[in-house]
Amino acid sequence: ILNVEQSPQSLHVQEGDSTNFTCSFPSSNFYALHWYRWETAKSPEALFVMTLNGDEKKKGRISATLNTKEGYSYLYIKGSQPEDSATYLCAFGAGSYQLTFGKGTKLSVIP
Amino acid sequence: EAGVAQSPRYKIIEKRQSVAFWCNPISGHATLYWYQQILGQGPKLLIQFQNNGVVDDSQLPKDRFSAERLKGVDSTLKIQPAKLEDSAVYLCASSLAGGPAYEQYFGPGTRLTVT
Repeated sequence: ILNVEQSPQSLHVQEGDSTNFTCSFPSSNFYALHWYRWETAKSPEALFVMTLNGDEKKKGRISATLNTKEGYSYLYIKGSQPEDSATYLCAFGAGSYQLTFGKGTKLSVIP
Repeated sequence: EAGVAQSPRYKIIEKRQSVAFWCNPISGHATLYWYQQILGQGPKLLIQFQNNGVVDDSQLPKDRFSAERLKGVDSTLKIQPAKLEDSAVYLCASSLAGGPAYEQYFGPGTRLTVT
């Protein structure tokens, strides 16, 4: 069983604040790391799929970094907005087909 | 492009009853996944299809859960009989192909409550 840990479990930030979350995963047999955003009553939406050590990806105000040697990825949100309120899931892919998901970080942005 | 469709969105049943969920993936996606997400946990893969063949069903409780993918397109997931611990959100996802580097596209899920 692969262990994928996300921290913090939840956080509240003020509108305009920048924030970041962590995803920790096994450093061996790495294949891919996914980030998804899941808003209440909607479908989980892919943010990034990263496969190379040192990868940095950006989409608007959201960016992510990847360190496969030490087994972690950071997700950054710059200038949080209320519409960023969601649960952010990371998922680790090893050599097999299956993705192992973390429990998620629930972000609430207070206007 | 139409997304992944799932129905029903919500279902409430009593324990020992049966229930079925339906999923229509994105057109052209060869790989289809069913996940179970229990409150407070991350989604757990139940079964993965490649076209109409099963790739991984190692975490599917086969004594009560079954799934099929008709003609490599739509899929149904059935629970018979349901237990209280089956209360969860059941997510369907699809991707162009199998393999962990492919982005998965999710449906809105079915929230099942077993009383």
